[in-house]
Amino acid sequence: GAGVSQSPSNKVTEKGKDVELRCDPISGHTALYWYRQSLGQGLEFLIYFQGNSAPDKSGLPSDRFSAERTGGSVSTLTIQRTQQEDSAVYLCASSPQGTGELFFGEGSRLTVL
Amino acid sequence: AQSVTQLDSQVPVFEEAPVELRCNYSSSVSVYLFWYVQYPNQGLQLLLKYLSGSTLVKGINGFEAEFNKSQTSFHLRKPSVHISDTAEYFCAVSAGTYKYIFGTGTRLKVLA
Repeated sequence: GAGVSQSPSNKVTEKGKDVELRCDPISGHTALYWYRQSLGQGLEFLIYFQGNSAPDKSGLPSDRFSAERTGGSVSTLTIQRTQQEDSAVYLCASSPQGTGELFFGEGSRLTVL
Repeated sequence: AQSVTQLDSQVPVFEEAPVELRCNYSSSVSVYLFWYVQYPNQGLQLLLKYLSGSTLVKGINGFEAEFNKSQTSFHLRKPSVHISDTAEYFCAVSAGTYKYIFGTGTRLKVLA
């Protein structure tokens, strides 16, 4: 079956522009995560969705960041008024509840000029 | 709160030599521990996990890790590495909730 799909794989944008990153999780996985991976920084938790519950947004670094998950499936991470420090790889992961395993997409590499 | 420390940012090793990648964690409660591998330009994939039971955990590609509660460690080992093991390895901890804390990663470079 298909894995976690993320698009675009690469995005170059100018400072101040808005960007949308998309994640299509594995079918049937109830949990969905967004992480940010910066060079030498490991994975930084951004947001967590579980079924129809309210998401945990505690990792979003500023109010320029938002995410939604429609119909319990596809998720979109939106960054408004991008800044150079937003440059990173944004990873999406999904998980079937209770297994303790995260399945990651290949990431969206964002470069803000 | 939990935290994870991977002290080695880079580990070079010759092909067919053994390797150990170190991971230490801190937590006031029982934890679950994971190792993930990230090959170049790919997402992370699970190598192995410790949830309970035997402290020696075997994973894919010949890797294993040992959970040591007294030393709060979960070091990853492989007796003989291959060129194809060149990748970045991440240790992660969870207290059984949905939150996973990842270390900063260790780049393993296998030399011919």
